Amino acid sequence: QVQLVESGGGVVQPGKSLRLSCAASGFTFSRYAMHWVRQAPGKGLEWVAVISYDGSNKYYADSVKGRFTISRDNSKNTLYLQMSSLRAEDTAVYYCGRDFYNFWSRNTYGLDYWGQGTLVTVSS
Amino acid sequence: AIQMTQSPSSLSASVGDRVTITCRASQGITNDLGWYQQKPGKAPKLLIYAASSLQSGVPSRFSGSGSGTDFTLTISSLQPEDFATYYCLQDYSYPWTFGQGTKVEIK
Repeated sequence: QVQLVESGGGVVQPGKSLRLSCAASGFTFSRYAMHWVRQAPGKGLEWVAVISYDGSNKYYADSVKGRFTISRDNSKNTLYLQMSSLRAEDTAVYYCGRDFYNFWSRNTYGLDYWGQGTLVTVSS
Repeated sequence: AIQMTQSPSSLSASVGDRVTITCRASQGITNDLGWYQQKPGKAPKLLIYAASSLQSGVPSRFSGSGSGTDFTLTISSLQPEDFATYYCLQDYSYPWTFGQGTKVEIK
């Protein structure tokens, strides 16, 4: 079965960096685009970034552009989010999600599988 | 970025009630919209994709409709396990954007 397991969260000081990982299993990781979504405490969901199946294309939310970098290692079935210049407003649970891609229609339909999330707290 | 305006932000309903949640996009997004359910402390779950297609394993009491800018999620007969927060998500263009969420509470 599809499993996504995030790790790397914790408490970090403002201005510092942190790298999140998402280990994937149960599907052919290298065939799917992957996403990060976050949720600040008590708030709604915010889409953060996406990376194409081969890593050649990446898109970011304006709120993280220039500070966060999404990447992947298909040999390790792992997705990453490198976060730098962290701010208090980056405090959130970070979820990785699999792109819901239909190989027949070649359309994408949101996110069909999600990890359990990892909490990042930015505080001095 | 495309703005998604979801309403209401919360509602109270009883078991068996019909519930409707709406989402409006700031520009046309054809039918590139999904609905997600989230329970406290859990990851979101995909309910509806492409505005009206039911995700595998999701009960048929959930349905979606709309295209262009106006979309609706309907729960035909609310069950105890449906009390949760619901979000719409446009996947028409990057950056993807979520609605603000609708919390469905027990009356």
